Amino acid sequence: DIQMTQSPSSLSASVGDRVTITCRASQGISNYLAWYQQKPGKVPKLLIYAASTLQSGVPSRFSGSGSGTDFTLTISSLQPEDVATYYCQKYNSAPEVTFGGGTKVEIK
Amino acid sequence: EVQLVESGGGLVQPGGSLRLSCAASGFTFSSYAMSWVRQAPGKGLEWVSAISGSGGSTYYADSVKGRFTISRDNSKNTLYLQMNSLRAEDTAVYYCANPRIAAAGTDYWGQGTLVTVSS
Repeated sequence: DIQMTQSPSSLSASVGDRVTITCRASQGISNYLAWYQQKPGKVPKLLIYAASTLQSGVPSRFSGSGSGTDFTLTISSLQPEDVATYYCQKYNSAPEVTFGGGTKVEIK
Repeated sequence: EVQLVESGGGLVQPGGSLRLSCAASGFTFSSYAMSWVRQAPGKGLEWVSAISGSGGSTYYADSVKGRFTISRDNSKNTLYLQMNSLRAEDTAVYYCANPRIAAAGTDYWGQGTLVTVSS
């Protein structure tokens, strides 16, 4: 089975900082990679799919990159409303999917 | 508008059974695969099971294989998850999801239903 490893598991950054979260697949998954944002007590929200395609309505400060085994989610200028836990998800074998362990983002 | 509404959660003793339901509306239910995803308290997301649109193909995480059964009734637009031999580690919020990422770059989630396995 392909494992998805996210890093870091948590981070603290200041408003306006550039934030980068990485996700590594144990085997190549082409660009079948999505990123989700989950705020406390809320349902996960799809931010990015196909590794780099922004979901409609998602602010442009979010971006994704990568292919194969290494992927990145970047928030170009962290905002208070971005406090959340972010998950990567591989879907190359959909409907079977695998989530990464999550990255909790907090404001310093 | 797509709506997914889960029900059936609650408190159950270890070794017990529970059946979750997910009522779907706002789309052609039989045309889409459906999934269950769970989240233990304070933990991450874990995919549990999925079923094809026709119901002819089912998929399970290793952690629930042999204990959980996913099914659907396309005449009732309803998804089910029969959970048997429940363990404390099955305690979680269970979300019903309609994954369309590969085909349409979107997906839909219900609000979740809490299952607590405890004596």
